[in-house]
Amino acid sequence: GNSVTQMEGPVTLSEEAFLTINCTYTATGYPSLFWYVQYPGEGLQLLLKATKADDKGSNKGFEATYRKETTSFHLEKGSVQVSDSAVYFCALSDWTGNQFYFGTGTSLTVIP
Amino acid sequence: DAGITQSPRHKVTETGTPVTLRCHQTENHRYMYWYRQDPGHGLRLIHYSYGVKDTDKGEVSDGYSVSRSKTEDFLLTLESATSSQTSVYFCAISESGAEGAGPGELFFGEGSRLTVL
Repeated sequence: GNSVTQMEGPVTLSEEAFLTINCTYTATGYPSLFWYVQYPGEGLQLLLKATKADDKGSNKGFEATYRKETTSFHLEKGSVQVSDSAVYFCALSDWTGNQFYFGTGTSLTVIP
Repeated sequence: DAGITQSPRHKVTETGTPVTLRCHQTENHRYMYWYRQDPGHGLRLIHYSYGVKDTDKGEVSDGYSVSRSKTEDFLLTLESATSSQTSVYFCAISESGAEGAGPGELFFGEGSRLTVL
């Protein structure tokens, strides 16, 4: 079956620190991979996505590379800001593109 | 921003009472989803719809039913609410699914916080 495993939180970083949030997946076929972000009191919004192996998704300084050989899609940012404090969800969609599977979320707090 | 409206945004009810949450979209997307979000579980799919009157179960569908009589509206009903259904419920829509189309992305509503006493 399909599933997503992401690193446990919470994560606390100082401003300008490097961020990595690990995500691995199990899937049949050729899934697409996503990172969603949820700010306090809001719904989830798409941060970035990659639809095939070796693709790199990027947005707002965040990056993640679709690694088929390691079944991973780790989220990275070189220099975090206080405004990046949120919960981050790794997700995949199956080969139909209509079924989505989410990790449990990783809470990030960035302190000045 | 995708036009998705959930109502009510907050509700407190008692065990055994029926509850209906409404999701309304203005995007004319084919797919609509109901998720629940709980600490330690992330998002879990309750039900989804792939067209008017076409629905299917997700991984946590017990105790929930859905209906979609119009493209724009997707209703989630708890026939007899229980305390274990206290959660934040999110509606989402997707533009994917058409033949030949690549996978799309989910657009989420702002959530409905339900407390069952």
